[in-house]
Amino acid sequence: AQSVTQLDSHVSVSEGTPVLLRCNYSSSYSPSLFWYVQHPNKGLQLLLKYTSAATLVKGINGFEAEFKKSETSFHLTKPSAHMSDAAEYFCVVRDSSYKLIFGSGTRLLVRP
Amino acid sequence: KAGVTQTPRYLIKTRGQQVTLSCSPISGHRSVSWYQQTPGQGLQFLFEYFSETQRNKGNFPGRFSGRQFSNSRSEMNVSTLELGDSALYLCASQDRGSDGYTFGSGTRLTVV
Repeated sequence: AQSVTQLDSHVSVSEGTPVLLRCNYSSSYSPSLFWYVQHPNKGLQLLLKYTSAATLVKGINGFEAEFKKSETSFHLTKPSAHMSDAAEYFCVVRDSSYKLIFGSGTRLLVRP
Repeated sequence: KAGVTQTPRYLIKTRGQQVTLSCSPISGHRSVSWYQQTPGQGLQFLFEYFSETQRNKGNFPGRFSGRQFSNSRSEMNVSTLELGDSALYLCASQDRGSDGYTFGSGTRLTVV
């Protein structure tokens, strides 16, 4: 069965410093992986997706993620945090029946 | 291109009542799936409909049901509401030819 584990429930960074949100996955086959962001009282917005093409995936708003099969990881990074990046981030794997399985989320706090 | 539209945005119901939520997918998308988001359980899959057929179902009691119409609009119904049904209900629209899932803003249901 597929699953994802987000290693940090909260991450706090200063504005202008790098962001790293960690995600490990478990899958019996080559997975489809996604990162979504949710701002307060909003729905989910797709940041980026990995679907067995390039292992380094670039997304919106300067975010990117690298698929590392040997480490079963799909960490999300951004070189420089902006105040507007404060939100909850979800790592997601899609199972064989097209069901999305969500991680527990990482709340990103950006300090001025 | 219009996004995924969920109505209503907010709903307050009394225990024991029933409720119907609506989701209109992106034009041309035939797959609609529903997710429940709560602080305790996170995001959990409810069901998916494709071309008016339920393709997949999550681990929820039979009080939760859904349907999809010929225009791909979907409704989900919850009968005999319980306090624990209070949640944000999110609908996702997907073009099965791609890997993208687009979420609506959700319906926040409060059961009192």
